[in-house]
Amino acid sequence: DVKVTQSSRYLVKRTGEKVFLECVQDMDHENMFWYRQDPGLGLRLIYFSYDVKMKEKGDIPEGYSVSREKKERFSLILESASTNQTSMYLCASGRGTEAFFGQGTRLTVV
Amino acid sequence: GDSVTQMEGPVTLSEEAFLTINCTYTATGYPSLFWYVQYPGEGLQLLLKATKADDKGSNKGFEATYRKETTSFHLEKGSVQVSDSAVYFCALRYDYKLSFGAGTTVTVRA
Repeated sequence: DVKVTQSSRYLVKRTGEKVFLECVQDMDHENMFWYRQDPGLGLRLIYFSYDVKMKEKGDIPEGYSVSREKKERFSLILESASTNQTSMYLCASGRGTEAFFGQGTRLTVV
Repeated sequence: GDSVTQMEGPVTLSEEAFLTINCTYTATGYPSLFWYVQYPGEGLQLLLKATKADDKGSNKGFEATYRKETTSFHLEKGSVQVSDSAVYFCALRYDYKLSFGAGTTVTVRA
């Protein structure tokens, strides 16, 4: 079975902190994605990566950056967390047409 | 850019009722289309997919047909069960990018 693992299920951080969300996949997939999920807005793409060290902005990249130094790991970075970044963050990986999702990290910024 | 619009919810049905969730897309090329499902407390999982026009995806009694002429991929199930209560997301994939609709919450009452 494909496994996409996000490092934390729940996280509470303070405004202004630098936050790292980690995602690891075990299926050698080229493509990895970060989304945030908010009620009434569905999933919005923050960043995606189609290869090591390659990244592309999604629909809402502002306030975020990413890192992909190894194929299996895709990190989302909140440079200076703000309360409007309180959300559920979902990581996905895939090859070809299908994507597999992690369980999500619920981040609260206080 | 490429995008997906799906029927707003919430939708409440009785067991054995017929379910339809409308989904239309806008794309410059020929995307692959998906329905994902998120059961309460769980991560997103792929329900079905179609990669070209006139393809029909099916799984767990759900079906959707890729209609290029109407740019639609409506989800249907003939007889729903309480266990089908979930949030359903329509999605499209073009090139590397995977984009989602806002999601439709479906509640099935016994």
